[in-house]
Amino acid sequence: QQQVKQSPQSLIVQKGGISIINCAYENTAFDYFPWYQQFPGKGPALLIAIRPDVSEKKEGRFTISFNKSAKQFSLHIMDSQPGDSATYFCAASDNFNKFYFGSGTKLNVKP
Amino acid sequence: NAGVTQTPKFQVLKTGQSMTLQCAQDMNHEYMSWYRQDPGMGLRLIHYSVGAGITDQGEVPNGYNVSRSTTEDFPLRLLSAAPSQTSVYFCASSYRRNTEAFFGQGTRLTVV
Repeated sequence: QQQVKQSPQSLIVQKGGISIINCAYENTAFDYFPWYQQFPGKGPALLIAIRPDVSEKKEGRFTISFNKSAKQFSLHIMDSQPGDSATYFCAASDNFNKFYFGSGTKLNVKP
Repeated sequence: NAGVTQTPKFQVLKTGQSMTLQCAQDMNHEYMSWYRQDPGMGLRLIHYSVGAGITDQGEVPNGYNVSRSTTEDFPLRLLSAAPSQTSVYFCASSYRRNTEAFFGQGTRLTVV
């Protein structure tokens, strides 16, 4: 059973639009929620992360919204650019630093 | 500062063969992990380590062994390769619990 469920599987957005990717989890012991960006042939790289004591974190065009009661969190990419085209993974980790990843969202930003 | 280095980048094995995937980091990170990435399944944790001499199982440990004799190195051993182990393998390290994990470039393994 997948610990972190991610949707959608793929997403097409026009340049300048907003990309939204959603994740949900069940384990209330998770206490760190990062988002990773992966380009083809490369390893994932940290994009932005949040801890459950805040409801929102913004870094440039990237924002995480976190809803602890609903056990959901989402990534918003504002003013999406073709260079943002990549696969995005949400993740959650527990007390033992064990990371559980979502299944990934392939984002395609059309010029 | 090379970060996380994985070798080899590509490998083809025959069913039943054994091999070791190498992972080394030069950032003095205590936490190291191995993941496999399969289409539509994200990354799944195989084994992890919270320091030299300490390892534990992740979600999908069967068929794999690890050891951590030094802070820098965390090799992953496939005991008897099976086609189901065809995947892309990533090693990651982080400085402490729940901080940024740095990933290597990956090893693409095909078992025939």
